[in-house]
Amino acid sequence: AQSVSQHNHHVILSEAASLELGCNYSYGGTVNLFWYVQYPGQHLQLLLKYFSGDPLVKGIKGFEAEFIKSKFSFNLRKPSVQWSDTAEYFCAVTGKGNNRLAFGKGNQVVVIP
Amino acid sequence: GAVVSQHPSWVICKSGTSVKIECRSLDFQATTMFWYRQFPKQSLMLMATSNEGSKATYEQGVEKDKFLINHASLTLSTLTVTSAHPEDSSFYICSARETGKNTEAFFGQGTRLTVV
Repeated sequence: AQSVSQHNHHVILSEAASLELGCNYSYGGTVNLFWYVQYPGQHLQLLLKYFSGDPLVKGIKGFEAEFIKSKFSFNLRKPSVQWSDTAEYFCAVTGKGNNRLAFGKGNQVVVIP
Repeated sequence: GAVVSQHPSWVICKSGTSVKIECRSLDFQATTMFWYRQFPKQSLMLMATSNEGSKATYEQGVEKDKFLINHASLTLSTLTVTSAHPEDSSFYICSARETGKNTEAFFGQGTRLTVV
């Protein structure tokens, strides 16, 4: 079964700083990869996803992620964060043809104005 | 995007009673829905995969007699926590993927269950 690792559970940074959140997965086959965001008091929302094609994926709110197959990674980046990016970010993976979404433990990101 | 609605958002119940949580896909059909549990400061743990018209598939360690799942239609799945205990207090989230499409899962807003 697939699994996901996210490191640095708590991240605190100032506005305008750059953000990178690591995500590594383990699965033997082809994968679909996702980053979800949960703002305080709200439900999970999709930030971006990778199914196939260009490994550099651009999502909403200026986020992007790069799929590096050789490293089993799908790191999330944003060049300049805002206070409104304070949220919890979850990486998730599902194997192609397999409906089960496996989530990482999440990164709690706090952006200080 | 597609909308998944969960009801109720928050419920408090007495120990020993049962609680039913509904998950509805409002504008699409979902042959498969998923139930997750999220503990504070932890990730979402998949509890079971709910299949329309058939039995749910439970993850290892999840008691199927404790967490009853019914997926009677293509837009509704229910999770019933039977004989609830304080340790069942948690945040339960459902998600659904549109039938026949290789798209992302859409999530409900979650249900906060508190057992007293």
